[in-house]
Amino acid sequence: TQLLEQSPQFLSIQEGENLTVYCNSSSVFSSLQWYRQEPGEGPVLLVTVVTGGEVKKLKRLTFQFGDARKDSSLHITAAQPGDTGLYLCAGMNTGNQFYFGTGTSLTVIP
Amino acid sequence: EAQVTQNPRYLITVTGKKLTVTCSQNMNHEYMSWYRQDPGLGLRQIYYSMNVEVTDKGDVPEGYKVSRKEKRNFPLILESPSPNQTSLYFCASSLFRQGRDEQFFGPGTRLTVL
Repeated sequence: TQLLEQSPQFLSIQEGENLTVYCNSSSVFSSLQWYRQEPGEGPVLLVTVVTGGEVKKLKRLTFQFGDARKDSSLHITAAQPGDTGLYLCAGMNTGNQFYFGTGTSLTVIP
Repeated sequence: EAQVTQNPRYLITVTGKKLTVTCSQNMNHEYMSWYRQDPGLGLRQIYYSMNVEVTDKGDVPEGYKVSRKEKRNFPLILESPSPNQTSLYFCASSLFRQGRDEQFFGPGTRLTVL
């Protein structure tokens, strides 16, 4: 069961460009999290959004939770090589079970 | 240092040979969980535990067992491993609070079943 679909799956951009990653579902989630994972390590939390329509900013990263709490987006402004990694969205259903998205592998070329 | 530890980090075994992957956290977290990560599929939850003696199936529980006898430990047991269980496994823990809290992940266990 893949409740959360991320797009694009792979993204390769030049340093300084902007990008958006999407996380979509037909299910409603009580909260949605974004994680970043580097090779050989476990995912690390970037942000949690809980309210429909909520927007959170973390330096050059902007996260938005859809009004219906079914989707989310991550926008990176002026990407840097240090942003390279695997970005994962994760949502929790009413049954206390977590579902992760399929992941977006981002490469920022200097 | 607050952390989640897993052992072993790497394991190569053969079909049918029972194995246990240990997981321990030192943050007094109620919620613990096991995931497997496969290319193109992201992380999929195997089992989770809301507290001691309380465990529930995740999305892909078949072929796995868990136990939560102590708050800090949450071992993953493969009674009869098969090649389709070759994967990267992560243990995680969290305060939980309706899923709003961060899940802290261990370093991962790369399992190969021949």
